[in-house]
Amino acid sequence: DGGITQSPKYLFRKEGQNVTLSCEQNLNHDAMYWYRQDPGQGLRLIYYSQIVNDFQKGDIAEGYSVSREKKESFPLTVTSAQKNPTAFYLCASSMQGASYNEQFFGPGTRLTVL
Amino acid sequence: SQKIEQNSEALNIQEGKTATLTCNYTNYSPAYLQWYRQDPGRGPVFLLLIRENEKEKRKERLKVTFDTTLKQSLFHITASQPADSATYLCALDEGSSNTGKLIFGQGTTLQVKP
Repeated sequence: DGGITQSPKYLFRKEGQNVTLSCEQNLNHDAMYWYRQDPGQGLRLIYYSQIVNDFQKGDIAEGYSVSREKKESFPLTVTSAQKNPTAFYLCASSMQGASYNEQFFGPGTRLTVL
Repeated sequence: SQKIEQNSEALNIQEGKTATLTCNYTNYSPAYLQWYRQDPGRGPVFLLLIRENEKEKRKERLKVTFDTTLKQSLFHITASQPADSATYLCALDEGSSNTGKLIFGQGTTLQVKP
C-alpha cells in the first residue's frame, strides 16, 4: 500500500526534552511538509522540503528543526525552545512542490507536554 | 496580511439537503484553491482543486465554485448523508510563487442528521 506513515501516534514529553516525530512516504513524492494543528484552528506550516537535502522554514518554524536526507523521510524535531509544543502534528507530501498538486496527509502525531 | 475565513460555527443540516460551506480570503490572489475533508483525530483528505480561471468544478455529489472578484469559494454537497459529517478545510496557494505552500482556513464542521 502506498501512503504516508507517522509515528508515534501519541507522544508525551517532559518539559525541556527534545523529541523527534517520524514521517515516511512511499509515494515517490518530491515535496514534503510539516503542519501543526491546534483545536479549532487550521493547519499552520512549520517546514517544507521541495527536494532532498533542501528545506525551507514555514510560518511557525521557531523551536523546530527538520532534515531531508532521504526522499522518503522527513523527520521533525520539537526542541525545548518551542514554548507551547502540545498540538496535533501532521506530515504531508505532494508529487512536486507546486500549488496545483494535492497534498497527501499522514495520520498525525498528537504530542502532549507534561 | 493574508487571511482565510471559513464559517466558524458548525453547520447542521438534515439528510438529503444540500450543504453549502463558505471560504473567504483577503489580501492576495491565489491561482489555486483546494478543499479537504478531515475526520476527528485523522489527517485531511483531498477532495477537489479549482483553478482561478475555472468558475465551477464538480465531482460526484460535490461542487466547488471560485469567484476571484468576490474572493470567495463555495463548497456544496448535494443529497447529503450522515457519512458526510466531518470538518471541511479550504486551502489556497500564496499566489506569489508556485512553491506548493498552502494556507489553510480553520475549517467548518458539518453535521448531517438522519
